[in-house]
Amino acid sequence: KAGVTQTPRYLIKTRGQQVTLSCSPISGHRSVSWYQQTPGQGLQFLFEYFSETQRNKGNFPGRFSGRQFSNSRSEMNVSTLELGDSALYLCASSPWEGSNEKLFFGSGTQLSVL
Amino acid sequence: QKEVEQNSGPLSVPEGAIASLNCTYSDRVSQSFFWYRQYSGKSPELIMSIYSNGDKEDGRFTAQLNKASQYVSLLIRDSQPSDSATYLCAVILSGGYNKLIFGAGTRLAVHP
Repeated sequence: KAGVTQTPRYLIKTRGQQVTLSCSPISGHRSVSWYQQTPGQGLQFLFEYFSETQRNKGNFPGRFSGRQFSNSRSEMNVSTLELGDSALYLCASSPWEGSNEKLFFGSGTQLSVL
Repeated sequence: QKEVEQNSGPLSVPEGAIASLNCTYSDRVSQSFFWYRQYSGKSPELIMSIYSNGDKEDGRFTAQLNKASQYVSLLIRDSQPSDSATYLCAVILSGGYNKLIFGAGTRLAVHP
């Protein structure tokens, strides 16, 4: 069974640009969560989707958005990039319908904002 | 107060020793607790979950939960250099749909 797939693996953008990251969950998993990881802040929860609906949202500005498609694949978008958005963005999927306790993480997208 | 707090370390232990990693949590969490391990440059992976007071053992790993004192710990017996990683404590926030929140992680270094 294929794991969680995130693309692209690396991205370099400049301030003010926007970026879209993609995540394909493990087959059969319907919950997808997104996290931002930085050395200073650790893993910060962005949002979680289940059956194309956002169920949970973290404390990030509106520049961060996401969506989930009918095949459970998910995308997150960051508009008007800032230097502080440089981070590893991790996507995780979960097999449980009512909870996202056990997460399976992808390899992440390393975003650098110059 | 943050929902979950960990000492960032590094925690350095000799090979063969017991490594003890601790995590405290706030009243805003439910009663589900998890330990994830993250090797440098890799993604986190779940190694233990615990839901009730007491100890839960899995091989060299033991998770301990003390609800009265609001802490959860992870013991690694017979530590090996391959255990060197960052260990993340994670909790489910109460209310609404379950949201998994991570602590900042404790870096463990096991030296030969």
